[in-house]
Amino acid sequence: QAGLTQPPSVSKGLRQTAVLTCTGDSNNVGGQGAAWLQQHQGHPPKLLSYRSNNRPSGISERFSASRSGNTASLTITGLQPEDETDYYCSAWDSRLGAWVFGGGTKLTVL
Amino acid sequence: QVQLVESGGGVVQPGRSLRLSCAGSGFIFSSYTMHWVRQAPGKGLENVGGLSSGGDIQYPAGLAKGRFTLSRDNSNNTLYLQMNSLRADDSAVYFCAREGTGAFDIWGQGTVVTVSS
Repeated sequence: QAGLTQPPSVSKGLRQTAVLTCTGDSNNVGGQGAAWLQQHQGHPPKLLSYRSNNRPSGISERFSASRSGNTASLTITGLQPEDETDYYCSAWDSRLGAWVFGGGTKLTVL
Repeated sequence: QVQLVESGGGVVQPGRSLRLSCAGSGFIFSSYTMHWVRQAPGKGLENVGGLSSGGDIQYPAGLAKGRFTLSRDNSNNTLYLQMNSLRADDSAVYFCAREGTGAFDIWGQGTVVTVSS
């Protein structure tokens, strides 16, 4: 099953800005956009954004998402120690008729 | 409080079967497409499959031809995953997730499946 492409790791300094990317194609990210999930070790994923730029209630404004063509991005501003964890993107793939995930990016806050 | 609670995981021998359950509460269960997502140790998320609100459409379409089958009992707000001919590489945490607008918006805590002799 084809998935979305995420860089395995990103490192940024405390209080800096991190931009995580997720690349797909016109059947998934380029179609209805992507969602972003945050997962801490030993916990289920938590939804951060959906349809590329919508944020559920209760999610910090430090997290914002966007899309350009077939690539979705998650921008995290003012990095905090608790932001150091794994981030996944997901999207509906209209060709596969299924949801697909990226391989995940481990964010390290230096 | 919107909640999903999985159960039914455990240790099972290769080739055997297992049925997982996911109980939903705090929302109108019968209005949502529901999914199972799994995560092998140290690995990423993998969509196992989804089932429409009425239980008549499985995602992906070919899921029923494989080893896994989804079903649901809307009268009891429960989603099921029947797993047959289990293999070692099916070992994972299995999460139940609700499909909201453009994303899986509610997740359970997961149930662990270990396939080992």
